[in-house]
Amino acid sequence: NAGVTQTPKFRILKIGQSMTLQCTQDMNHNYMYWYRQDPGMGLKLIYYSVGAGITDKGEVPNGYNVSRSTTEDFPLRLELAAPSQTSVYFCASRGQNQPQHFGDGTRLSIL
Amino acid sequence: AQSVAQPEDQVNVAEGNPLTVKCTYSVSGNPYLFWYVQYPNRGLQFLLKYITGDNLVKGSYGFEAEFNKSQTSFHLKKPSALVSDSALYFCAVRDPYRSNDYKLSFGAGTTVTVRA
Repeated sequence: NAGVTQTPKFRILKIGQSMTLQCTQDMNHNYMYWYRQDPGMGLKLIYYSVGAGITDKGEVPNGYNVSRSTTEDFPLRLELAAPSQTSVYFCASRGQNQPQHFGDGTRLSIL
Repeated sequence: AQSVAQPEDQVNVAEGNPLTVKCTYSVSGNPYLFWYVQYPNRGLQFLLKYITGDNLVKGSYGFEAEFNKSQTSFHLKKPSALVSDSALYFCAVRDPYRSNDYKLSFGAGTTVTVRA
């Protein structure tokens, strides 16, 4: 049981490049979340999904997109990378009446 | 709107001493409250939660938290801290009476350092 798996673990992008952060979970959880963590700021919710085919914006969605074609996968897309998107990104999933389980994060630098 | 405040950026204690990490919350109704811990280069790990019932909640690794409705607080405590408890701690809140969006709001985090 791997839990929540995020790839890649580290990435350096140039301004204007695009990339997809992958997140997959093997717990059959309906709820999935993307957060970004910046020093001293806690976690900010980017997007979330309550089930396959359903996504919704969180607190800081600008510059990002998501899709949820399957229960297992919830990729996060950056179309035009900007320095302000340098952060650590965490994916989480949750079953009904359960706490969120987090992946180990993707550390993204945009130069 | 729901929100959480962790008033201390850092807490430093000696090993064997009691540890307290403070959290206050703001929601429109009765809250669901959570504590998570984060070790370096890892994701957040769930410690404990308060949903309803007994105000004193026991969780993983000997941690407990006390829900105080009148003070809108949910402080994390451990009677005897270990060096291995050194980590970043997050408090989180959810308002269950909002629409079914199931979102948590996290505090900014408190760095705990336990010295040997």
